[in-house]
Amino acid sequence: AQTVTQSQPEMSVQEAETVTLSCTYDTSESNYYLFWYKQPPSRQMILVIRQEAYKQQNATENRFSVNFQKAAKSFSLKISDSQLGDTAMYFCAFMTNFGNEKLTFGTGTRLTIIP
Amino acid sequence: NAGVTQTPKFQVLKTGQSMTLQCAQDMNHNSMYWYRQDPGMGLRLIYYSASEGTTDKGEVPNGYNVSRLNKREFSLRLESAAPSQTSVYFCASQEYSNQPQHFGDGTRLSIL
Repeated sequence: AQTVTQSQPEMSVQEAETVTLSCTYDTSESNYYLFWYKQPPSRQMILVIRQEAYKQQNATENRFSVNFQKAAKSFSLKISDSQLGDTAMYFCAFMTNFGNEKLTFGTGTRLTIIP
Repeated sequence: NAGVTQTPKFQVLKTGQSMTLQCAQDMNHNSMYWYRQDPGMGLRLIYYSASEGTTDKGEVPNGYNVSRLNKREFSLRLESAAPSQTSVYFCASQEYSNQPQHFGDGTRLSIL
């Protein structure tokens, strides 16, 4: 079974600074997908970024980028030029590539952007 | 563009009551999922439906039943609610394998 670990329950950073959220996972699969979801106080689950394990290039979406280290089973999220609207819970999630599309989530990191 | 719609958004039940949570998606997605979110535990899969007419258990299925009524709708039923089922419930859908899942806005359910 796959597990996803987010070791930082809470983080805070000043507005406009850069912050990195950590995520590690455990799997015996070689082909899989990783995601970061954002959950603001409104409770919506919003996809932030997606990474395919077979791609060596790290995914980027505007101010959001990942550092994917497959050998280390690490998938961190970097938020550059942080904004007040980035305040949210962030969940790392794992999905295998064997026709079983269930997501396994980490326990989340609560990020607060300080004005 | 509605996406995934869950009803109701909030509900309070007494122990032993029954209830059905409704979920509908308008994206013509094949797969649908029910998760529960508890403090400090992330989201955990209750049941899922890989396609119309099929359902399978997830990580925490006990105390729940589901129905994939058609391609659009996937309902979650609590036959006899227990306080341990107090949680926020999310429905999600997915177009096909390995695509991101799209989530509804959640249902906050309290069992007294």
